[in-house]
Formats: sequence, C-alpha cells, structure tokens
Amino acid sequence: DTEVTQTPKHLVMGMTNKKSLKCEQHMGHRAMYWYKQKAKKPPELMFVYSYEKLSINESVPSRFSPECPNSSLLNLHLHALQPEDSALYLCASSRQQAGGANVLTFGAGSRLTVL
Amino acid sequence: AQTVTQSQPEMSVQEAETVTLSCTYDTSESDYYLFWYKQPPSRQMILVIRQEAYKQQNATENRFSVNFQKAAKSFSLKISDSQLGDAAMYFCAYRSANTGNQFYFGTGTSLTVIP
Repeated sequence: DTEVTQTPKHLVMGMTNKKSLKCEQHMGHRAMYWYKQKAKKPPELMFVYSYEKLSINESVPSRFSPECPNSSLLNLHLHALQPEDSALYLCASSRQQAGGANVLTFGAGSRLTVL
Repeated sequence: AQTVTQSQPEMSVQEAETVTLSCTYDTSESDYYLFWYKQPPSRQMILVIRQEAYKQQNATENRFSVNFQKAAKSFSLKISDSQLGDAAMYFCAYRSANTGNQFYFGTGTSLTVIP
C-alpha cells in the first residue's frame, strides 16, 4: 500500500459547524502532515506529527485542531471556520528520518468550502 | 527559513518538445535535498524527481532530468518529449538534511502542453 487516503473528498460547512477531515496511511511512515493549499498556490504547512506527537505547529488558528490517534491516522478537527478557510487541505506522510528517503507522499486532498 | 524561488509562473510547450522549468533557492547549509513535485489539475501531488546535494551527478527519471548547480543554488527541471499528461503545476521544494520534516516549496510553475 503506497497511498495516503483522505476523506471526505469534498466538504461544505457553515461557520458554526463542527466537522473533521481524516487521513490514513499504511506505509509505516512515522511523520504525518497537514497542508493548506489555495488555488494555484504552493501548499502551506499547518502541522507536523512525528511519532504521533505534534512537532510543528505553524501558528495555525485554534479553530483548526489536529489529532494523531495512532501512527496510521491523522485527523483535522474544524470548528467555527471562516470563509477564508475555504481551501484544499492536503495530508502527507513521510518516513521519520533526515535522509533522502524522507520524501512527502500526498493524499488527494479534501476540498473544503465554508459558507 | 530557506527561500525557494520559481520565477516562471506559467510556461507552455509544444507536444514532443523539450521545456525547462527554473528553480533557485537560498540556503547556508551544505547538506540538503531538492525535489520537483507535479500537481495535475484536480489531481494528487506526486514526486517527479529528487536530488541529494552531496551528489554531483544530476538525477534523471525517464523523460525528466534536472540540472543541479550547487554553487549557483539552481535546480532546473527538464522535461523531454513533452506529453499532454505533463500539463500540471510544478513545485520545486527544499529540505534540509538536518531537519527531516520541514519542506520549503516554491510558488509553482503552471505548465501547459500544446497539442
């Protein structure tokens, strides 16, 4: 299995809703990432989990709450989002090492629309 | 933070021709890795090619090759025999060998392949 699976593919939510994005990989990768991507822009790093512990938090607003229940799963809990949070949310994983084999494998993304 | 610059927001190429996408980066480190990622419209971001800074030999993957100039901090991607399926956003990325989880992306180049 060489995939990162993200669900749902599309999500529409109101500003008062609570929803979650899910990400799963079975490649044995011990680093997992959340990125936010606007159209025709590069991905912006939000969070990194390393061995199930939060290792990087790029000053993301608290309305985004990450969770890593185990080494294969990564969630992003969403609450009280703003319309400007509408974007493609990408999950990625990589081996936890500094060497060349540490490349990002991306999921297909969850396209979020906040009304 | 390291800076990765892609100075060509858009490029076009005739099918079967060759195109070169430019990327420069700024770093004070001597050991790092460079990547080219491809993101087709509404599709998953995938790794095209990677280069270890300690290797003088330029990486190649089938029709894709790089011109890595370490002193000039330049890392261009050459696509030979362009195909319609090569149409995509291409992102150059940098990762330090010392910090395994922080990837820095360029702003991207949108490549159009003309039949």
